[in-house]
Amino acid sequence: KNEVEQSPQNLTAQEGEFITINCSYSVGISALHWLQQHPGGGIVSLFMLSSGKKKHGRLIATINIQEKHSSLHITASHPRDSAVYICAVSSYAGGTSYGKLTFGQGTILTVHP
Amino acid sequence: DTGVSQNPRHKITKRGQNVTFRCDPISEHNRLYWYRQTLGQGPEFLTYFQNEAQLEKSRLLSDRFSAERPKGSFSTLEIQRTEQGDSAMYLCASSPPGIAGGNEQFFGPGTRLTVL
Repeated sequence: KNEVEQSPQNLTAQEGEFITINCSYSVGISALHWLQQHPGGGIVSLFMLSSGKKKHGRLIATINIQEKHSSLHITASHPRDSAVYICAVSSYAGGTSYGKLTFGQGTILTVHP
Repeated sequence: DTGVSQNPRHKITKRGQNVTFRCDPISEHNRLYWYRQTLGQGPEFLTYFQNEAQLEKSRLLSDRFSAERPKGSFSTLEIQRTEQGDSAMYLCASSPPGIAGGNEQFFGPGTRLTVL
């Protein structure tokens, strides 16, 4: 079992729909990251959070430390939101954490007009 | 542009050849990471530098792989005697000093390696 699991692996939506991507992890973490990757490879950091909830524009990220679960929500989805969304955690190892990331396999989101 | 840059963006090589990739992090970032991403998968950690010190290496990094960051600025990743299984996107990321558990990481565009 991977340390970071995302669901769904693929998600298709119509423009305007509310979207949720889920992430579960099995290790102790110092932070959880949500990243966006467009075709061609470029990765952009969307959120880094260790508790609670963060919001940026139409994007909302939440984390439940006790349940080791995080969600990324997109409100009023738009075709330009089409991308791969990746959950990643920075975890403690032997009492230290250099911030290296362990990634989920990604969720491919396609939003149709 | 003051983001993370990587060169080359694409590299095609024949099996058995050596290749070297370069990463230039954001100038004030002392932490630098290399990751590898194969098609359809999330990236995997390869190695980490804090300033010029290589503090962690993944078991994925075989003896054919070596990375350096000689002056704590740019970093190079070399693969010797390339194999077809080395074909992947090689990603570099940097982050600023400060929080022990890590900060937000800024990614470069990646170098896509194809080994024929």
